[in-house]
Amino acid sequence: GENVGLHLPTLSVQEGDNSIINCAYSNSASDYFIWYKQESGKGPQFIIDIRSNMDKRQGQRVTVLLNKTVKHLSLQIAATQPGDSAVYFCAENISPNAGNMLTFGGGTRLMVKP
Amino acid sequence: DSGVTQTPKHLITATGQRVTLRCSPRSGDLSVYWYQQSLDQGLQFLIHYYNGEERAKGNILERFSAQQFPDLHSELNLSSLELGDSALYFCASSLRAGAVDEQFFGPGTRLTVL
Repeated sequence: GENVGLHLPTLSVQEGDNSIINCAYSNSASDYFIWYKQESGKGPQFIIDIRSNMDKRQGQRVTVLLNKTVKHLSLQIAATQPGDSAVYFCAENISPNAGNMLTFGGGTRLMVKP
Repeated sequence: DSGVTQTPKHLITATGQRVTLRCSPRSGDLSVYWYQQSLDQGLQFLIHYYNGEERAKGNILERFSAQQFPDLHSELNLSSLELGDSALYFCASSLRAGAVDEQFFGPGTRLTVL
């Protein structure tokens, strides 16, 4: 797939276990954060977002935690499934008042073992 | 399927050449964004257009230019191509230009410069 060759940190989990993917962001002024999932051969796909006035947001099987003090974001996936295998990127909007410009983290490859 | 279409899917060309990548946003979306995904730089924002006007510019080289047409499709022009321009180029679209507008990504164009 297109992400082969990228030197990404890899998280390997057993099917059914919970996964936690971490991300450090760069700009303390960022006020909007998004997690994207990118499967091989596809473009990034929105998973969940969070505003800086929140510290936790839950979706279906996914939870995003935001710690502004240490500029850290995490994505928790409950009951990980083989279909969750992909590269996960966090993104921050660093210029909310000057266009919708996203800065992406380096990505983490999630591998789910059946 | 995000509803964003990109053509061509693959493009192979030689150094020094010029290519044009095309993007059609989701129906009703007014914003178009271009991103470059390379092995060593990850996903990088290039440029954002809203309703035909440039709204934000990221790490876009002077050899690259883009425009958004009245029918809202967009083209990214890459000239004087170098080996290092080989990458995946993604287009995304969103309804408006707000910081929290979800961006929907197309499948990408893989550019190989030989």
